[in-house]
Amino acid sequence: AQKITQTQPGMFVQEKEAVTLDCTYDTSDQSYGLFWYKQPSSGEMIFLIYQGSYDEQNATEGRYSLNFQKARKSANLVISASQLGDSAMYFCAMSRSGGSNYKLTFGKGTLLTVNP
Amino acid sequence: DAGVTQSPTHLIKTRGQHVTLRCSPISGHKSVSWYQQVLGQGPQFIFQYYEKEERGRGNFPDRFSARQFPNYSSELNVNALLLGDSALYLCASSQTGYHQETQYFGPGTRLLVL
Repeated sequence: AQKITQTQPGMFVQEKEAVTLDCTYDTSDQSYGLFWYKQPSSGEMIFLIYQGSYDEQNATEGRYSLNFQKARKSANLVISASQLGDSAMYFCAMSRSGGSNYKLTFGKGTLLTVNP
Repeated sequence: DAGVTQSPTHLIKTRGQHVTLRCSPISGHKSVSWYQQVLGQGPQFIFQYYEKEERGRGNFPDRFSARQFPNYSSELNVNALLLGDSALYLCASSQTGYHQETQYFGPGTRLLVL
């Protein structure tokens, strides 16, 4: 069974600084995808970044980068130059290949607060 | 282009009642998935549909059912509501639902069962 672990219930960062949100995963699959989503208080899940298990380069999307360490089964999200609007819940999620079920498995999330 | 839309945005029901939640995917997307998110947790997978066929089902009781229409929109039905069904219900769409595709989420429906 797949499992996502986010060990930081809450994180604080000063505006304009960088922050790393931790994510570890457990799977026996060889092919899988890792995603990060942002959920503001409004509730909508906003896609941030994707990393495939066979991708050799770490994914980057603007101020977001994913520090993918396959051997350690970690997929940490790095947000550079934090902004006040980055304050939200952040979820790490994993999808798997095989079978007919392509569900996302989510962690419990990390609440990020950006201080001015 | 319009994103994933869901209706209604909020809903209050009493125990034992039935509820229907609706979702319209992004244009061109043929796969729709439903997730339940209770307070303080990450979303939990309920169903995935592709081309009107159920592709997967999560660990939810038979009170939960869904269907997908020819225009790829979808409905989630919950019968005999329990207090524990109170949650944010999220719909996500993707082109084919393949595991390496990004699923794009709608704003959700907040269901409160009294």
